[in-house]
Amino acid sequence: AQKITQTQPGMFVQEKEAVTLDCTYDTSDPSYGLFWYKQPSSGEMIFLIYQGSYDQQNATEGRYSLNFQKARKSANLVISASQLGDSAMYFCAMREDFQGAQKLVFGQGTRLTINP
Amino acid sequence: DAGVTQSPTHLIKTRGQQVTLRCSPKSGHDTVSWYQQALGQGPQFIFQYYEEEERQRGNFPDRFSGHQFPNYSSELNVNALLLGDSALYLCASSSNIDRGKLFGAGTRLSVL
Repeated sequence: AQKITQTQPGMFVQEKEAVTLDCTYDTSDPSYGLFWYKQPSSGEMIFLIYQGSYDQQNATEGRYSLNFQKARKSANLVISASQLGDSAMYFCAMREDFQGAQKLVFGQGTRLTINP
Repeated sequence: DAGVTQSPTHLIKTRGQQVTLRCSPKSGHDTVSWYQQALGQGPQFIFQYYEEEERQRGNFPDRFSGHQFPNYSSELNVNALLLGDSALYLCASSSNIDRGKLFGAGTRLSVL
């Protein structure tokens, strides 16, 4: 079974600093996808960035980038120039494929707080 | 274009009651997945519907059932509610060519 581990329950960062949120994963499948989501207090899960296991380059989406180290099975999220609005829960997730269906397996999440 | 729409936003029930949650996927999406997120936890996969059939199921009891309609909208039904069913229920929609599953804002269920 696939597993996602996020070892940082909480992170506190000063505004405008860069922050790295850690994520390690465990899978025996050669083909997989990794996602990062942001969940503000309202509850909605907001898609941030995606990395496929065969993608040659690290994914980037605006201020978000994914530091993908396949051999170490890590997929850390880097947020550059943090903003107060970045304060939220962040979840790393892996896509698991089974008989044509896909589900997401989530980590426990990291609560990020941006201080002014 | 509306994204994934869930209703109701909040719900309060008592133990033993039954509840139905609803989800309308994003236009063009044909697959709906349901997740349960307990307080302080990551979401847990309940089941997925495609072409009106349950395609995959997570580790949830039969009290949890669902349905998908021809317009791709979906319902999640929970019977004989327990206190432990209190959670945020998230619906996600996707298509075969869509990498990022799009989530709704969720339904927050409280069982008293």
